[in-house]
Amino acid sequence: DQQVKQNSPSLSVQEGRISILNCDYTNSMFDYFLWYKKYPAEGPTFLISISSIKDKNEDGRFTVFLNKSAKHLSLHIVPSQPGDSAVYFCAASEGVGNAGNMLTFGGGTRLMVKP
Amino acid sequence: NAGVTQTPKFQVLKTGQSMTLQCAQDMNHNSMYWYRQDPGMGLRLIYYSASEGTTDKGEVPNGYNVSRLNKREFSLRLESAAPSQTSVYFCASSGKGQGRSNYGYTFGSGTRLTVV
Repeated sequence: DQQVKQNSPSLSVQEGRISILNCDYTNSMFDYFLWYKKYPAEGPTFLISISSIKDKNEDGRFTVFLNKSAKHLSLHIVPSQPGDSAVYFCAASEGVGNAGNMLTFGGGTRLMVKP
Repeated sequence: NAGVTQTPKFQVLKTGQSMTLQCAQDMNHNSMYWYRQDPGMGLRLIYYSASEGTTDKGEVPNGYNVSRLNKREFSLRLESAAPSQTSVYFCASSGKGQGRSNYGYTFGSGTRLTVV
């Protein structure tokens, strides 16, 4: 049973518009959440994270929102650019900074930004 | 460049053959991980090593073994490959104070394995 779910396998948006990627989790012990971006033939790379003590974290064009009561987080990309086309993985962890803490990943959402 | 290096990048095996996937990191990280990526399943943890000298099972350990050779190297072995092990394998490492995040993984570029 997947503890982290990304229910949209793919998303297509127009360049310049907002991209919203969603993620749901079931484990109430998760207290740290991350988004990774993956291009073909490359490993995932860290994009942005949020601790459960916050409900929003922003980094340039990327903003992550966390709704703990709904066990839901979302990644907003504004404005979307063609170079943002990639697979995005949501990940969650119990505890922060401890050696060996595992990340549980969602199934990924393929974002396509059309010029 | 600093990071995680995986070898080989591609491999085709026959059912029943064995092989070892190699992983090395040069960031002095304590923890290392092996994941597999399958369509729609995301990244699933096979084994991890919290620190040198320790290894533990993840979500999908069956059919695999690992060795934490030293702090830098963490290998994944398939003793008798099966078609169900056809996947893309990623090694990752993590340590405190890494990059923009106070906690996150650095991934290798992956090994694409096909078992026929």
